[in-house]
Amino acid sequence: DQQVKQNSPSLSVQEGRISILNCDYTNSMFDYFLWYKKYPAEGPTFLISISSIKDKNEDGRFTVFLNKSAKHLSLHIVPSQPGDSAVYFCAASGRNTDKLIFGTGTRLQVFP
Amino acid sequence: DTGVSQDPRHKITKRGQNVTFRCDPISEHNRLYWYRQTLGQGPEFLTYFQNEAQLEKSRLLSDRFSAERPKGSFSTLEIQRTEQGDSAMYLCASSRGQDYGYTFGSGTRLTVV
Repeated sequence: DQQVKQNSPSLSVQEGRISILNCDYTNSMFDYFLWYKKYPAEGPTFLISISSIKDKNEDGRFTVFLNKSAKHLSLHIVPSQPGDSAVYFCAASGRNTDKLIFGTGTRLQVFP
Repeated sequence: DTGVSQDPRHKITKRGQNVTFRCDPISEHNRLYWYRQTLGQGPEFLTYFQNEAQLEKSRLLSDRFSAERPKGSFSTLEIQRTEQGDSAMYLCASSRGQDYGYTFGSGTRLTVV
């Protein structure tokens, strides 16, 4: 039972354009959402998060949007850079727990 | 702040042997987590500690798995009688709390042959 789903295993975007990574969840008790980036042979690196009381959070080139009614969140990266090429994981947690439930990841490739 | 350290980086072991991994969290982080990641999947939660107390364990953590965090500092994850299905990347992370996100280590890659 995959509670957090990333339905696109890969995405290819030209440098300078916008990258949009999507994530869907099924558990309405989730109230905190995070995005992580992972390079090969390294652990995931925290990128940005959003609480369920918000619908948008922005940090530099990264913006996360949350649509609670659709149980959907997305990560926008603009402008995309070659160094953004990595696997991106969406994760969620509920109240009273620190446990994160991760999606299966989307591999982003930014080409020149 | 030297980040989260995991040792060893790689471990190859024969089926049936016991293995132990170590994680040193960021010193001011009181929460420590263990995750497992297999190819093509996201990290799966195994267990977490707040200080020395183990607060939650996944059903994935069978009785062959045990984790400790003595004195609320470093942590060890032991797998007894390893099986080929235990082959995975074992990730440790630490945090100050949910709002701060986790800091992951680089992981220990276990191969059971």
